[in-house]
Amino acid sequence: GENVEQHPSTLSVQEGDSAVIKCTYSDSASNYFPWYKQELGKRPQLIIDIRSNVGEKKDQRIAVTLNKTAKHFSLHITETQPEDSAVYFCAASKNTGNQFYFGTGTSLTVIP
Amino acid sequence: KAGVTQTPRYLIKTRGQQVTLSCSPISGHRSVSWYQQTPGQGLQFLFEYFSETQRNKGNFPGRFSGRQFSNSRSEMNVSTLELGDSALYLCASSSTLNTEAFFGQGTRLTVV
Repeated sequence: GENVEQHPSTLSVQEGDSAVIKCTYSDSASNYFPWYKQELGKRPQLIIDIRSNVGEKKDQRIAVTLNKTAKHFSLHITETQPEDSAVYFCAASKNTGNQFYFGTGTSLTVIP
Repeated sequence: KAGVTQTPRYLIKTRGQQVTLSCSPISGHRSVSWYQQTPGQGLQFLFEYFSETQRNKGNFPGRFSGRQFSNSRSEMNVSTLELGDSALYLCASSSTLNTEAFFGQGTRLTVV
C-alpha cells in the first residue's frame, strides 16, 4: 500500500518568515495530494490540494509543489503569522475511493 | 449546510466491552470514511463506505467494523476493546471520488 513520509515533525519559525514542510509518497498511482491543518482540539481542515496533472498551486500565502518523478510534494507558507501555528498533515490518495494515506504531521509554531 | 456530525464526543469504556460510534455526513455526501488518530501514529485509515457498501478497508483487525445506512449515516463498531484502542476517531465525508474530505470533530474514546 501507499506510504507517506513527512518532515520535519516539528518546526519553529519567527513571525514573517517562511515555513516549508515536505512529504514523499511511494505509490505512483496516487494522484491527489491534499494538505490539512489541525488546530489544537479541532478537526482537520483542508487548506490546499493539488492533483498530479499540476506542478504547482498557490492560494495567497500558501503554495504546494508536486514532483511526480521524485514522488514528493511540499507545502510552503510565506509571511507566517501566529494563527498559522497548528499541526499540518499531508496526504495522498488515488482513484479507488476516498482512502487517504496521511503523513505523521508537522507541528508548526510561529513565534511572535 | 450542516457539517459532519459525530456522536458521542467522548466515551469511556472498559477493556473487553464494545462501542458504537455514529457519523452523519454533509447532506448529499455519499462517501464516509473513518480514521483513527493517535499521537504516535497520526491519522490511520480504517474504512470507507459508499452507497451502503464498504469500498475500501485499512489494516485494522476484524474487531473494527462499520456500516452505512441508506441515508448515508455511518456507524463504526469496535468489539472486545483493548487499551490500545484509546484514540480520537474521526469520520469524514466526501461529495465525489478522490476529493476533499470534510472531517467531523471526532469521538474521543478512552479505554480503561
